Amino acid sequence: EAGVAQSPRYKIIEKRQSVAFWCNPISGHATLYWYQQILGQGPKLLIQFQNNGVVDDSQLPKDRFSAERLKGVDSTLKIQPAKLEDSAVYLCASSLGVGSSTDTQYFGPGTRLTVL
Amino acid sequence: GQSLEQPSEVTAVEGAIVQINCTYQTSGFYGLSWYQQHDGGAPTFLSYNALDGLEETGRFSSFLSRSDSYGYLLLQELQMKDSASYFCAVSGGGADGLTFGKGTHLIIQP
Repeated sequence: EAGVAQSPRYKIIEKRQSVAFWCNPISGHATLYWYQQILGQGPKLLIQFQNNGVVDDSQLPKDRFSAERLKGVDSTLKIQPAKLEDSAVYLCASSLGVGSSTDTQYFGPGTRLTVL
Repeated sequence: GQSLEQPSEVTAVEGAIVQINCTYQTSGFYGLSWYQQHDGGAPTFLSYNALDGLEETGRFSSFLSRSDSYGYLLLQELQMKDSASYFCAVSGGGADGLTFGKGTHLIIQP
């Protein structure tokens, strides 16, 4: 089966610009996650969707970050405007179930964002 | 809140056994997961412990003690391809999103 797809793989922008990332989860997976991984650290959860509803966005900087998952499949994460500290890898993950903590999360290859 | 502690770096010899420890503090706890991440790659799932005890999957084993808020990942018969970062992560609270530790960089020497 196809894995989690993300694009673009790399993006370089200047501060105060806008950027958007796209994620296509594994077919049939109800839950989708966006994580931010800063170099040398573990991934940090930004937002979790269950189908097309938000389950947890407590760590999403809502003044500049937004995300949507229309139709409960693909998702986009947007940053507007970007800051230098947003330089990181943005990982998308998906899992099969709806609310089970035993579900394995499958990660995409990530988008590496550099903000100059 | 949730926090996890794991060593930043561990060095071991090819063919040997290595243990990577993880301690955690959480407000809610469902289980402890382990992920492997090669440089430039995506995290990949290794194991999950919800109950106390040892879970074995091939060369990898994972242990959990809920009373001690402690777990470890055991890698046996180390191979050069095991050189990677290993993350422990906890799931807990109202949603399933994982809280990751900072990762342990495992260096395998020939």
